[in-house]
Amino acid sequence: GAVVSQHPSWVICKSGTSVKIECRSLDFQATTMFWYRQFPKQSLMLMATSNEGSKATYEQGVEKDKFLINHASLTLSTLTVTSAHPEDSSFYICSARGNSDYEQYFGPGTRLTVT
Amino acid sequence: GENVEQHPSTLSVQEGDSAVIKCTYSDSASNYFPWYKQELGKRPQLIIDIRSNVGEKKDQRIAVTLNKTAKHFSLHITETQPEDSAVYFCAARGGSYIPTFGRGTSLIVHP
Repeated sequence: GAVVSQHPSWVICKSGTSVKIECRSLDFQATTMFWYRQFPKQSLMLMATSNEGSKATYEQGVEKDKFLINHASLTLSTLTVTSAHPEDSSFYICSARGNSDYEQYFGPGTRLTVT
Repeated sequence: GENVEQHPSTLSVQEGDSAVIKCTYSDSASNYFPWYKQELGKRPQLIIDIRSNVGEKKDQRIAVTLNKTAKHFSLHITETQPEDSAVYFCAARGGSYIPTFGRGTSLIVHP
C-alpha cells in the first residue's frame, strides 16, 4: 500500500519558537494533503487541506498565520507552527491522497510538546 | 457541510463476541465511507471502505453495511480478538471530496 512518512516523530520546543513538520508521500504522488490535529482520546480535527502548488484551505478557527502550510511538490508538504505556545502541544497527523479520489493514507504523526 | 455521528463512544466485549459500531451522516451526496483503526500513539489505518453503489462489503472478520436511504453505515467485527482493541473512526466523504470523521469508538476486547 501507499506509504506516508512524517518527520520528526516527536519534538519538544520552547514557547515562542517555531517548529516545522514534514509530510512525505514515498511511493505515490500526493495531489492533496491534509493536516489534522488530535488531542488525547479525541477525533481527528482537520486543520487544512492543501493541493500541490496552491495555497492551503484552512478550516474555520484555524489561524493560517500561525499554522503555515506549504505543499511545494507532489511528494512533500510542510506544517510550520509559528510562535508556539503550550496550548499548541498536540499530536499532528498528515494524510495524503493521490489521483484516486478515494483512499487517503496517514503519516505516523508528530507529537509536539511546547514548554 | 457533512456531519457524522458515531456510536457508541466506548464498546466493551468478550473475546469471540461480535462488535458493531454505527455511524450516520447528513450529506446525501456522500459517496465514500472508510473505516479506520487507530492504536494508541499510532496512525489511523484504513481497514475497510465502501462506496455508495454497494450495500455491503466483507473482508474476513470485518464487514461494513451501508443504508443510503437512512444515511447510516455500520462496521461489524466478528469473533473479536484482544488485538482488535483500538479506537475505530468512521468517515464520510461527499461533494467537497474532504472526509468528515466521526468522534471515534474505543473498542475493548477482554480475553
